[in-house]
Amino acid sequence: DGGITQSPKYLFRKEGQNVTLSCEQNLNHDAMYWYRQDPGQGLRLIYYSQIVNDFQKGDIAEGYSVSREKKESFPLTVTSAQKNPTAFYLCASSIGVGDTQYFGPGTRLTVL
Amino acid sequence: SQQGEEDPQALSIQEGENATMNCSYKTSINNLQWYRQNSGRGLVHLILIRSNEREKHSGRLRVTLDTSKKSSSLLITASRAADTASYFCATDASGSARQLTFGSGTQLTVLP
Repeated sequence: DGGITQSPKYLFRKEGQNVTLSCEQNLNHDAMYWYRQDPGQGLRLIYYSQIVNDFQKGDIAEGYSVSREKKESFPLTVTSAQKNPTAFYLCASSIGVGDTQYFGPGTRLTVL
Repeated sequence: SQQGEEDPQALSIQEGENATMNCSYKTSINNLQWYRQNSGRGLVHLILIRSNEREKHSGRLRVTLDTSKKSSSLLITASRAADTASYFCATDASGSARQLTFGSGTQLTVLP
């Protein structure tokens, strides 16, 4: 059953803590993406990766970090430097950058 | 940076009516895509139209693209309550690193 998964679905963290959001795909896609969505808003690109061991900053990378050690996995770390981290985080993948993107179900992060 | 902007922001119609959403963008594009998002879920790809195409159909969906006006429209015919969702356009800008840029979305409500 091919697809893209994110975990956990809901995540709570205290201010000042780093937290890592998981994203895994078994679609054999080269490109992967992380977006942030705030209530009633569109998606803003945080980071993207065109290929393993490579990633690029998106429009709002400050306070976030990523790694791409495996083709299947693109974890996102929300660091304590991110001023307003409470949001809905969406991961996506595509065959290549610019192609149709397939999205995971999202992780809702709440900072207490 | 927001490349695509949808109009209207919100649309409410009766079941059976047609729904039209518009998207305007700023720079030349390779393609334009429409996605759908149910509340609290990931996005689902609906249709892709290339810059050299003017119209495309998929089931009850009809997409038009006018590159001279830098605009696109999504028509959903014979709407159903299950079409209630947010709809986003996403553009793949020419000459860029080719990551998609999403608009802020149209919230469609179809009343039974």
